[in-house]
Amino acid sequence: EVQLVESGGGLVQPGRSLRLSCAASGFTFDDYAMHWVRQAPGKGLEWVSGISWNSGSIGYADSVKGRFTISRDNAKNSLYLQMNSLRAEDTALYYCARAFGGVLDYWGQGTLVTVSS
Amino acid sequence: EIVLTQSPGTLSLSPGERATLSCRASQSVSSSYLAWYQQKPGQAPRLLIYGASSRATGIPDRFSGSGSGTDFTLTISRLEPEDFAVYYCQQYGSSPPGTFGQGTKVEIK
Repeated sequence: EVQLVESGGGLVQPGRSLRLSCAASGFTFDDYAMHWVRQAPGKGLEWVSGISWNSGSIGYADSVKGRFTISRDNAKNSLYLQMNSLRAEDTALYYCARAFGGVLDYWGQGTLVTVSS
Repeated sequence: EIVLTQSPGTLSLSPGERATLSCRASQSVSSSYLAWYQQKPGQAPRLLIYGASSRATGIPDRFSGSGSGTDFTLTISRLEPEDFAVYYCQQYGSSPPGTFGQGTKVEIK
């Protein structure tokens, strides 16, 4: 069974940093690209970042470019999102998702990030 | 960047009725790389349709997708109680990948 479990969310002050993790199981992790998608409270889905199976191709939404860094450790079946210079508008539930040809076919349950003083 | 516009914002229907949801792209979506997701309150999104018209594993055949280029449609032939949810379209054929529409809420009338 495919499982994606996010962790690392919490309450953080504006300007500070946070690192999210996503532990994957139930599939061959290094066969798939992975993505982060976020959802602000009561709002729609926003794609944040994606990384290819071998980290050779990485992309970011304009809203996070230069502040967030996606990475993965295939030996640990883990995906990460380093978030720096956090802003109030980064407050959201952050999902990691497996990509099958670009389609997000499995999603975790999300980890909540709240940016507030 | 491709912008996806979904309509209507909210669709009020009764169980058993047909639902037609629209997703319009600001420019052509290459190779029909268009997906649809369903999200229920408190749950993660679930993939319904990919490649504009292919159903994901385990998705009932009352869900169907169609369209190409800039105009795409998700149809639910007969609404079941569990189908009342928010639906998002997503394009994954150009950079940046993963652009979502703003969502259509299907609510019980």
